[in-house]
Amino acid sequence: KQEVTQIPAALSVPEGENLVLNCSFTDSAIYNLQWFRQDPGKGLTSLLLIQSSQREQTSGRLNASLDKSSGRSTLYIAASQPGDSATYLCAVRRDNYGQNFVFGPGTRLSVLP
Amino acid sequence: SAVISQKPSRDICQRGTSLTIQCQVDSQVTMMFWYRQQPGQSLTLIATANQGSEATYESGFVIDKFPISRPNLTFSTLTVSNMSPEDSSIYLCSVDSGGQEAFFGQGTRLTVV
Repeated sequence: KQEVTQIPAALSVPEGENLVLNCSFTDSAIYNLQWFRQDPGKGLTSLLLIQSSQREQTSGRLNASLDKSSGRSTLYIAASQPGDSATYLCAVRRDNYGQNFVFGPGTRLSVLP
Repeated sequence: SAVISQKPSRDICQRGTSLTIQCQVDSQVTMMFWYRQQPGQSLTLIATANQGSEATYESGFVIDKFPISRPNLTFSTLTVSNMSPEDSSIYLCSVDSGGQEAFFGQGTRLTVV
Protein backbone atom coordinates (compact mmCIF):
# COMPACT_ATOMS: atom_id res chain seq x y z
CA LYS A 1 0.00 0.00 0.00
CA GLN A 2 1.37 3.40 -1.03
CA GLU A 3 2.18 5.78 1.80
CA VAL A 4 3.22 9.39 1.36
CA THR A 5 4.97 11.46 3.98
CA GLN A 6 6.06 15.08 4.00
CA ILE A 7 8.79 16.73 5.99
CA PRO A 8 8.71 19.11 7.71
CA ALA A 9 5.13 19.24 8.96
CA ALA A 10 5.45 22.99 9.48
CA LEU A 11 8.00 25.61 8.56
CA SER A 12 8.35 29.28 9.39
CA VAL A 13 10.89 31.39 7.52
CA PRO A 14 11.65 35.08 7.00
CA GLU A 15 10.79 36.62 3.68
CA GLY A 16 13.41 36.18 0.96
CA GLU A 17 14.71 32.78 2.04
CA ASN A 18 15.02 29.86 -0.32
CA LEU A 19 13.43 26.71 1.04
CA VAL A 20 12.93 23.03 0.30
CA LEU A 21 9.90 20.91 1.05
CA ASN A 22 10.25 17.13 1.01
CA CYS A 23 7.87 14.40 -0.06
CA SER A 24 8.57 10.66 0.26
CA PHE A 25 6.58 7.72 -1.05
CA THR A 26 6.97 4.01 -0.38
CA ASP A 27 6.03 2.49 -3.75
CA SER A 28 8.10 3.71 -6.70
CA ALA A 29 5.54 2.42 -9.24
CA ILE A 30 3.85 5.77 -9.76
CA TYR A 31 2.26 7.33 -12.82
CA ASN A 32 2.96 10.92 -11.81
CA LEU A 33 3.41 13.22 -8.83
CA GLN A 34 1.71 16.55 -8.38
CA TRP A 35 2.37 19.41 -5.96
CA PHE A 36 -0.50 21.56 -4.74
CA ARG A 37 -0.95 24.50 -2.42
CA GLN A 38 -3.98 24.93 -0.22
CA ASP A 39 -4.96 28.13 1.53
CA PRO A 40 -6.94 27.75 4.78
CA GLY A 41 -10.48 26.57 4.16
CA LYS A 42 -10.01 26.62 0.39
CA GLY A 43 -9.49 24.25 -2.50
CA LEU A 44 -6.24 23.03 -4.02
CA THR A 45 -4.19 24.96 -6.55
CA SER A 46 -2.01 22.90 -8.86
CA LEU A 47 1.63 24.00 -8.77
CA LEU A 48 3.63 21.43 -10.69
CA LEU A 49 3.06 18.05 -12.29
CA ILE A 50 5.95 15.64 -12.80
CA GLN A 51 5.41 12.58 -14.95
CA SER A 52 7.14 9.37 -13.83
CA SER A 53 9.63 9.66 -16.70
CA GLN A 54 10.65 13.21 -15.79
CA ARG A 55 13.28 14.40 -13.32
CA GLU A 56 12.11 17.94 -12.68
CA GLN A 57 9.68 20.69 -13.57
CA THR A 58 9.94 24.44 -13.12
CA SER A 59 7.39 27.21 -12.91
CA GLY A 60 8.55 30.69 -11.95
CA ARG A 61 10.13 30.55 -8.49
CA LEU A 62 9.14 26.91 -8.04
CA ASN A 63 11.15 23.86 -8.98
CA ALA A 64 10.10 20.30 -8.28
CA SER A 65 12.33 17.27 -8.66
CA LEU A 66 11.51 13.59 -8.72
CA ASP A 67 13.73 10.63 -7.88
CA LYS A 68 11.39 7.73 -8.44
CA SER A 69 13.87 5.01 -7.54
CA SER A 70 14.44 6.46 -4.08
CA GLY A 71 10.80 7.47 -3.61
CA ARG A 72 11.46 11.17 -3.17
CA SER A 73 10.36 14.51 -4.51
CA THR A 74 11.37 17.97 -3.42
CA LEU A 75 9.71 21.32 -3.99
CA TYR A 76 12.14 24.22 -4.04
CA ILE A 77 10.77 27.72 -3.50
CA ALA A 78 13.14 30.56 -4.31
CA ALA A 79 13.02 33.99 -2.70
CA SER A 80 9.99 33.21 -0.56
CA GLN A 81 7.26 35.83 -0.10
CA PRO A 82 4.48 36.22 2.50
CA GLY A 83 1.99 35.29 -0.25
CA ASP A 84 3.60 31.85 -0.37
CA SER A 85 2.18 31.10 3.08
CA ALA A 86 -0.08 28.06 2.68
CA THR A 87 -0.12 24.31 3.11
CA TYR A 88 1.77 22.43 0.42
CA LEU A 89 0.58 18.95 -0.51
CA CYS A 90 2.21 16.35 -2.67
CA ALA A 91 0.12 13.62 -4.24
CA VAL A 92 1.18 10.52 -6.14
CA ARG A 93 -1.00 8.86 -8.73
CA ARG A 94 -0.86 5.10 -9.30
CA ASP A 95 -2.08 5.04 -12.89
CA ASN A 96 -4.14 7.00 -15.38
CA TYR A 97 -7.46 5.28 -14.64
CA GLY A 98 -9.39 7.75 -12.58
CA GLN A 99 -7.96 9.88 -9.80
CA ASN A 100 -6.29 7.33 -7.56
CA PHE A 101 -4.22 9.84 -5.60
CA VAL A 102 -2.45 9.20 -2.37
CA PHE A 103 -1.95 12.56 -0.68
CA GLY A 104 0.74 13.47 1.78
CA PRO A 105 -0.25 15.18 5.03
CA GLY A 106 1.16 18.50 3.88
CA THR A 107 3.73 21.04 4.98
CA ARG A 108 2.31 24.21 6.54
CA LEU A 109 4.50 27.12 5.46
CA SER A 110 4.56 30.57 7.02
CA VAL A 111 6.68 33.27 5.40
CA LEU A 112 7.15 36.19 7.74
CA PRO A 113 7.46 39.75 6.40
CA SER B 1 -5.69 23.80 -17.69
CA ALA B 2 -9.25 23.72 -16.41
CA VAL B 3 -11.18 26.35 -14.47
CA ILE B 4 -13.68 25.00 -11.97
CA SER B 5 -16.40 27.05 -10.30
CA GLN B 6 -17.83 25.55 -7.14
CA LYS B 7 -20.84 26.84 -5.25
CA PRO B 8 -21.51 27.62 -2.46
CA SER B 9 -18.10 28.50 -1.09
CA ARG B 10 -19.33 27.96 2.45
CA ASP B 11 -22.51 27.24 4.36
CA ILE B 12 -23.76 26.62 7.86
CA CYS B 13 -26.56 24.08 7.98
CA GLN B 14 -28.85 22.56 10.56
CA ARG B 15 -28.51 18.87 11.32
CA GLY B 16 -30.98 16.69 9.47
CA THR B 17 -31.08 18.93 6.41
CA SER B 18 -29.40 18.48 3.01
CA LEU B 19 -27.05 20.65 0.99
CA THR B 20 -26.37 20.46 -2.73
CA ILE B 21 -22.97 21.58 -3.98
CA GLN B 22 -22.53 22.57 -7.61
CA CYS B 23 -19.42 22.20 -9.74
CA GLN B 24 -19.08 23.81 -13.17
CA VAL B 25 -16.06 23.24 -15.46
CA ASP B 26 -15.05 25.47 -18.35
CA SER B 27 -14.43 22.52 -20.68
CA GLN B 28 -15.98 19.13 -21.37
CA VAL B 29 -14.57 16.32 -19.26
CA THR B 30 -15.40 12.65 -19.09
CA MET B 31 -15.00 12.21 -15.35
CA MET B 32 -15.53 14.53 -12.40
CA PHE B 33 -14.38 13.63 -8.91
CA TRP B 34 -15.74 14.57 -5.50
CA TYR B 35 -13.58 14.71 -2.37
CA ARG B 36 -14.07 15.32 1.31
CA GLN B 37 -11.47 16.89 3.59
CA GLN B 38 -12.30 16.59 7.24
CA PRO B 39 -10.73 19.09 9.67
CA GLY B 40 -6.98 18.59 9.91
CA GLN B 41 -7.09 15.62 7.53
CA SER B 42 -6.03 14.98 3.97
CA LEU B 43 -8.39 14.53 1.04
CA THR B 44 -10.55 11.43 0.66
CA LEU B 45 -12.18 10.52 -2.64
CA ILE B 46 -15.96 10.15 -2.28
CA ALA B 47 -16.95 9.17 -5.80
CA THR B 48 -16.29 9.46 -9.52
CA ALA B 49 -19.07 10.94 -11.65
CA ASN B 50 -19.36 9.93 -15.30
CA GLN B 51 -21.86 11.58 -17.60
CA GLY B 52 -24.74 9.29 -18.46
CA SER B 53 -24.08 6.65 -15.82
CA GLU B 54 -24.31 6.11 -12.10
CA ALA B 55 -21.49 7.51 -10.01
CA THR B 56 -18.92 5.09 -8.65
CA TYR B 57 -18.52 5.37 -4.89
CA GLU B 58 -15.43 4.62 -2.83
CA SER B 59 -15.50 2.34 0.16
CA GLY B 60 -17.28 3.97 3.06
CA PHE B 61 -19.46 6.27 0.95
CA VAL B 62 -22.98 5.44 -0.21
CA ILE B 63 -25.37 6.94 -2.72
CA ASP B 64 -28.15 7.53 -0.20
CA LYS B 65 -25.90 9.80 1.84
CA PHE B 66 -24.05 11.46 -1.08
CA PRO B 67 -26.24 11.41 -4.19
CA ILE B 68 -24.48 12.76 -7.26
CA SER B 69 -25.85 14.07 -10.53
CA ARG B 70 -23.94 14.46 -13.79
CA PRO B 71 -26.36 15.82 -16.37
CA ASN B 72 -23.73 16.89 -18.92
CA LEU B 73 -19.99 16.99 -19.58
CA THR B 74 -19.36 20.29 -17.75
CA PHE B 75 -21.51 20.09 -14.62
CA SER B 76 -22.05 17.94 -11.55
CA THR B 77 -23.70 18.21 -8.16
CA LEU B 78 -23.02 16.48 -4.86
CA THR B 79 -25.71 16.41 -2.19
CA VAL B 80 -24.86 15.82 1.45
CA SER B 81 -28.04 14.33 2.89
CA ASN B 82 -29.44 14.17 6.41
CA MET B 83 -26.44 16.02 7.73
CA SER B 84 -24.85 15.57 11.14
CA PRO B 85 -21.98 17.51 12.73
CA GLU B 86 -19.63 14.74 11.54
CA ASP B 87 -20.29 15.91 7.97
CA SER B 88 -18.60 19.23 8.69
CA SER B 89 -15.78 19.26 6.14
CA ILE B 90 -14.50 20.91 3.03
CA TYR B 91 -15.97 19.31 -0.09
CA LEU B 92 -14.09 19.64 -3.36
CA CYS B 93 -14.66 18.71 -6.95
CA SER B 94 -11.86 17.92 -9.34
CA VAL B 95 -11.18 17.12 -12.98
CA ASP B 96 -8.19 15.95 -14.98
CA SER B 97 -6.75 18.01 -17.80
CA GLY B 98 -3.97 17.35 -20.30
CA GLY B 99 -1.28 14.98 -19.06
CA GLN B 100 -3.54 13.88 -16.25
CA GLU B 101 -2.93 17.09 -14.31
CA ALA B 102 -5.65 17.44 -11.68
CA PHE B 103 -7.48 20.70 -11.04
CA PHE B 104 -9.69 21.43 -8.08
CA GLY B 105 -12.51 23.80 -7.32
CA GLN B 106 -12.29 26.41 -4.58
CA GLY B 107 -14.01 24.07 -2.14
CA THR B 108 -17.23 24.25 -0.13
CA ARG B 109 -16.68 24.70 3.57
CA LEU B 110 -19.62 23.07 5.33
CA THR B 111 -20.42 23.46 9.00
CA VAL B 112 -23.28 21.44 10.47
CA VAL B 113 -24.77 22.69 13.73
